Amino acid sequence: QQQVKQSPQSLIVQKGGISIINCAYENTAFDYFPWYQQFPGKGPALLIAIRPDVSEKKEGRFTISFNKSAKQFSLHIMDSQPGDSATYFCAAANTGFQKLVFGTGTRLLVSP
Amino acid sequence: DVKVTQSSRYLVKRTGEKVFLECVQDMDHENMFWYRQDPGLGLRLIYFSYDVKMKEKGDIPEGYSVSREKKERFSLILESASTNQTSMYLCASSTSHRGVGETQYFGPGTRLLVL
Repeated sequence: QQQVKQSPQSLIVQKGGISIINCAYENTAFDYFPWYQQFPGKGPALLIAIRPDVSEKKEGRFTISFNKSAKQFSLHIMDSQPGDSATYFCAAANTGFQKLVFGTGTRLLVSP
Repeated sequence: DVKVTQSSRYLVKRTGEKVFLECVQDMDHENMFWYRQDPGLGLRLIYFSYDVKMKEKGDIPEGYSVSREKKERFSLILESASTNQTSMYLCASSTSHRGVGETQYFGPGTRLLVL
C-alpha cells in the first residue's frame, strides 16, 4: 500500500514562531504534493501544493519545501498565529490517477 | 464557489442497522470520494467514483458499498453497521481536468456513532 508518513502527530508553537511539519513518501511516481488544512467541525481544504519541478513554493506565510532525492516535503508556517491552529494533512498523488494518499495528520496549536 | 454538502452532520445508529450517507456537489465534478477520518489514522479512502454508475474500491472498502446514480450525488451505504464503523465520514469531489483535477473539495463531514 502506498504510504505517506507525516510527523509530528501534534505540535505546539508560540505565536510568532515557525511551525514545521514533515512528510515522507515512498512512491517515486507521485508528482503532486498538496497540504490540506482542517478546522474543527469543517472538512479539509487545500492550503498549498507543489509539483516536483520546483524545490520550494511560498504563499504568504506558508511555504512548502520539497526534496525529491530524499522523497520528503515539509510545510513551514512563518509567524504562526492562533488562527492557524488546525489539523494539517500532507498528501501525494500521481496526476494520472487523481487519487490522493493522505498522511496521518498533525494537530497544530498556536498559543497566544 | 464549490459546495459539497452532506446530508447529516451527526448520526446515531444501532448495530446491524443499514445506514445511508448522502453527498451532493454542485460543481459538475466527475470524481467523487468517500473517506473516513479517525484520530492518528488520517483520511482513508473507502470508495471513489469517476463517473455516473462507476465505482472503484479504495483502501478500506470492507463493510461499505456506494451508489452513484446521478453525477452530483454519491451515497455511502453501511449494509449492517458495526461499532468499529463509528467515525467521521468525509465526502469530496474533484474535476477530471488534468492539471487541476487533483484538488479535492470536501464536505463538512458526518460524525457517525454506532451503538
